[in-house]
Amino acid sequence: EIVLTQSPGTLSLSPGERATLSCRASQSVSSSYLAWYQQKPGQAPRLLIYGASSRATGIPDRFSGSGSGTDFTLTISRLEPEDFAVYYCQQYGSSPVHFGQGTKLEIK
Amino acid sequence: QVQLVESGGGLVKPGGSLRLSCAASGFTFSDYYMSWIRQAPGKGLEWVSYISSSGSTIYYADSVKGRFTISRDNAKNSLYLQMNSLRAEDTAVYYCARLWLVLDVWGQGTTVTVSS
Repeated sequence: EIVLTQSPGTLSLSPGERATLSCRASQSVSSSYLAWYQQKPGQAPRLLIYGASSRATGIPDRFSGSGSGTDFTLTISRLEPEDFAVYYCQQYGSSPVHFGQGTKLEIK
Repeated sequence: QVQLVESGGGLVKPGGSLRLSCAASGFTFSDYYMSWIRQAPGKGLEWVSYISSSGSTIYYADSVKGRFTISRDNAKNSLYLQMNSLRAEDTAVYYCARLWLVLDVWGQGTTVTVSS
């Protein structure tokens, strides 16, 4: 069973700054089957990134994903006010599928 | 447009049962795996169950195995989750989502509260 650990738990930044979120897996994630989701308060999660680095439909190019093996990163190049939310990583390369515990991105 | 709409949530006593439904539209429902994910108040996401496009392959999280049953009716473009022997720890928002390797379309969720 692959356990995903996200860091930091909370990230405080200002609009316009660059955000770097980390997701570390307890074992190698096969074929880079790693996804990122964004969830705003009171809303369902939204798929941002799949395959570690491919943006989902309609996702702005300020969002980018990278990494392989056990270490993955979600980068938001320049934060917009609507980007402040909780972000979850999820591996889907092996069963059971798990999510990370989330990183809350808050306005500083 | 592609849409998923959940219903059936509510307040139920411990040990009780509830059936959630998810109505799909805007895509060929029978082509896709579907899943249920839940989120307890103030907590993260937990994958509950998924079902293959034909219904022949099903997965349950250990936390619900033997108590929950996922099913689908492709003729009605609908997904279901029958929840029996409910516990306080099943209290959560339940989302249905389309599964194409990743969860690319989500419903708005339905709230299940298990309390006496």
